[in-house]
Amino acid sequence: EAQVTQNPRYLITVTGKKLTVTCSQNMNHEYMSWYRQDPGLGLRQIYYSMNVEVTDKGDVPEGYKVSRKEKRNFPLILESPSPNQTSLYFCASSPSGKRPQYFGPGTRLLVL
Amino acid sequence: DQQVKQNSPSLSVQEGRISILNCDYTNSMFDYFLWYKKYPAEGPTFLISISSIKDKNEDGRFTVFLNKSAKHLSLHIVPSQPGDSAVYFCAARASGTSYGKLTFGQGTILTVHP
Repeated sequence: EAQVTQNPRYLITVTGKKLTVTCSQNMNHEYMSWYRQDPGLGLRQIYYSMNVEVTDKGDVPEGYKVSRKEKRNFPLILESPSPNQTSLYFCASSPSGKRPQYFGPGTRLLVL
Repeated sequence: DQQVKQNSPSLSVQEGRISILNCDYTNSMFDYFLWYKKYPAEGPTFLISISSIKDKNEDGRFTVFLNKSAKHLSLHIVPSQPGDSAVYFCAARASGTSYGKLTFGQGTILTVHP
């Protein structure tokens, strides 16, 4: 089944404790992206990747890192999480940056 | 600076009637627009899109209209069904080297009553 998977689906952590949210797609898509969803703000893009080893900032990249070492994986790294990063995170992929994206199921993160 | 705005947080419609969801944008470089639908506890799913060279695109019960001069797009759902109840997001993408960057609106919660 073609899908985008994210792990974990739920995570509670404390301020400053590094964490990684994994994202994997099995559709051989070149493009991958991370978003956060917050009430009243909709979805905001954090980072995107047009292909392996090619990443670029979205609208809200501060406090996040990404890497794209292989085509199928695009992990989101929070080196020192803070409470304002409490949010619902979505990973997405697409055959290219010009095509509609397939979204994962989301990861709900709470930073205490 | 919200470049894509959905000014109606919610919309309530009777089953069988038309639902009209609106979206405004400010960036004149946007040339491709999409609508996504999101159910609770799921990721958004792509619904329909439109390029700036068109002013209308239709797919079954869903039609998207684009008014470039007003920087406004709308999604029409006819007839509306209870299963259409969800959050709807519009999104926009600019041409050029940053076409991988996608900007979303705040979303509109659509409720279709039986």
